Amino acid sequence: DTGVSQNPRHKITKRGQNVTFRCDPISEHNRLYWYRQTLGQGPEFLTYFQNEAQLEKSRLLSDRFSAERPKGSFSTLEIQRTEQGDSAMYLCASSYMSTSGGWGTDTQYFGPGTRLTVL
Amino acid sequence: GQQLNQSPQSMFIQEGEDVSMNCTSSSIFNTWLWYKQDPGEGPVLLIALYKAGELTSNGRLTAQFGITRKDSFLNISASIPSDVGIYFCAGQPRRAGGYQKVTFGIGTKLQVIP
Repeated sequence: DTGVSQNPRHKITKRGQNVTFRCDPISEHNRLYWYRQTLGQGPEFLTYFQNEAQLEKSRLLSDRFSAERPKGSFSTLEIQRTEQGDSAMYLCASSYMSTSGGWGTDTQYFGPGTRLTVL
Repeated sequence: GQQLNQSPQSMFIQEGEDVSMNCTSSSIFNTWLWYKQDPGEGPVLLIALYKAGELTSNGRLTAQFGITRKDSFLNISASIPSDVGIYFCAGQPRRAGGYQKVTFGIGTKLQVIP
């Protein structure tokens, strides 16, 4: 059973450095999502892809954040010039949604997350 | 961002007791989801509910989709130590083909006393 995987699991960096996280979704899933979760809160939506197209971005995703899914499979999330406020768990999720129209369930399955600590 | 009202926020129970937690929203959802998250891990899907009034079980877990579409509850029967964790409810609207934004509650932290 291959679920969603994320690398690295933990990242400690100094303020001002750039970091990049990777997410590998469930293989047949065409949708991929990035969330951020801080202590004591539920996950908050950052952005989502359908195949390689980035279709929606939250206002939480500042211009220091960029996400890509170049071949419609794995995705990367890069944070430039990290700030201490970026410290959080970054979660990736994937789902399958029919693109032939009609209603769908779009149930999301999460990876284990990447814990970022900015010193 | 928008959050659901989830309660209780934390609870201590004795092993073997039943647990109930619920989630309410001011918005109508067409899907309710319940996830469990262990420390340092991502949320794991427990139960998905797709129809108002639906009652679904997964082992010792039972969840219901409220008939108003604005609430859901999760029950855990005969709790065991491995039930410890944070339980999140989540709601999704439903529209054809588009992104169905998931809104999460703040979680219920469950601790089981052996």
